Amino acid sequence: AQSVTQLDSQVPVFEEAPVELRCNYSSSVSVYLFWYVQYPNQGLQLLLKYLSGSTLVKGINGFEAEFNKSQTSFHLRKPSVHISDTAEYFCAVSEDNQGGKLIFGQGTELSVKP
Amino acid sequence: DSGVTQTPKHLITATGQRVTLRCSPRSGDLSVYWYQQSLDQGLQFLIQYYNGEERAKGNILERFSAQQFPDLHSELNLSSLELGDSALYFCASSERGGAQDEQFFGPGTRLTVL
Repeated sequence: AQSVTQLDSQVPVFEEAPVELRCNYSSSVSVYLFWYVQYPNQGLQLLLKYLSGSTLVKGINGFEAEFNKSQTSFHLRKPSVHISDTAEYFCAVSEDNQGGKLIFGQGTELSVKP
Repeated sequence: DSGVTQTPKHLITATGQRVTLRCSPRSGDLSVYWYQQSLDQGLQFLIQYYNGEERAKGNILERFSAQQFPDLHSELNLSSLELGDSALYFCASSERGGAQDEQFFGPGTRLTVL
């Protein structure tokens, strides 16, 4: 069965520092991977997705993620964070033959301090 | 603004009652999804519809039901409400309802059961 584990529930970081939010998944079949961001009191917004091809995917707001099949990971990175990146970040996975069902991790709260 | 609208924004009701949450998808999207977000369970997929037909089902309680109408809007009905049903309910929509689709999320309906 699919599952997604986000290894850090909270990540505090100073402005302009690099950040990595970790995500591991388990699945018995090929998967598609997503990172969504949720700003306070808002819905979720897609940051980036991996469907196939190049394992390094670039998204909005300067974020990127690397798909690693052998380690079943899809970590999110940003080289220099901004105060406005403070939000909750969710890793999610979907599989063919499951419709569009997304399985989400528990979320990582990124807190950027000045 | 994702283009997905949800009403109402907030709902406060009592245990044992029944409520209906409404969602209008983005223009052109044929598939609608419902998710529940709570502190203890995180983000959980409930159900997906594509062009009026159920496509995928998650751990949706028997007390909960949903449908998608010919104009593609969707309603989530929650009955015999319990305190534990208090949560943020998100609707999302996507173009084709497949595993590779980006899902666009509405702002959510916050349900409080007293």
